Amino acid sequence: QVQLQESGPGLVKPSQTLSLTCTVSGASISGGRYYWSWIRQHPGKGLEWIGYIYYSGSTSYNPSLKSRVTISVDTSKNQFSLKLSSVTAADTAVYYCARVIRGIITPNPYGMDVWGQGTTVTVSS
Amino acid sequence: QSVLTQPPSVSAAPGQKVSITCSGSSSNIGNNYISWYQHLPGIAPKLLIYDNNKRPSGIPDRFSGSKSGTSATLGITGLQTGDEADYYCGTWDSSVNAWVFGGGTKLTVL
Repeated sequence: QVQLQESGPGLVKPSQTLSLTCTVSGASISGGRYYWSWIRQHPGKGLEWIGYIYYSGSTSYNPSLKSRVTISVDTSKNQFSLKLSSVTAADTAVYYCARVIRGIITPNPYGMDVWGQGTTVTVSS
Repeated sequence: QSVLTQPPSVSAAPGQKVSITCSGSSSNIGNNYISWYQHLPGIAPKLLIYDNNKRPSGIPDRFSGSKSGTSATLGITGLQTGDEADYYCGTWDSSVNAWVFGGGTKLTVL
């Protein structure tokens, strides 16, 4: 059974960098058939895709966040991580990590089939 | 403003059927696979439908998906009170090279 678990500080000060890690169990992050993604949900709002990474290190980011986002992968630890710089109160949200099905013929993402439980991050001084 | 448009809310009685629509464009729904998610408060979203109409193992056949042109529909039959949740559609948008979600639809089972 594949499980994902987010971890990281629940409180971040404005202008600092938000850092979260997602630990994958029950599957290898190097499996090749999947991307590994971060998604967030602002209070009372819908889901927002942040970006994803492939085990090789190639990434794709939401254009609206691209200048502040870095997603990295550590295959030896079976983890991937999110860094979001220069945070403001608008970055307060529940952050989810998720496994994304990757197309075989065209490598587009097909959907998020396994999700972490989510972690709440509040940006406040 | 979401790229994919969903009705904010739908409702139906227990045992009835409901349809949730997701409208987009040729750059997203029209040329990519759509997926649907169920999200209950405080719980991780759950994949209900992928590849437009496929169900992951463990998802009952009360849930179905379809796509026509630049719109997609999630159907739920035999509604149960436990189906009360927010439902989201999602797909890849080739014009911006980004994954996009609909704004979400709140289902109320009266």
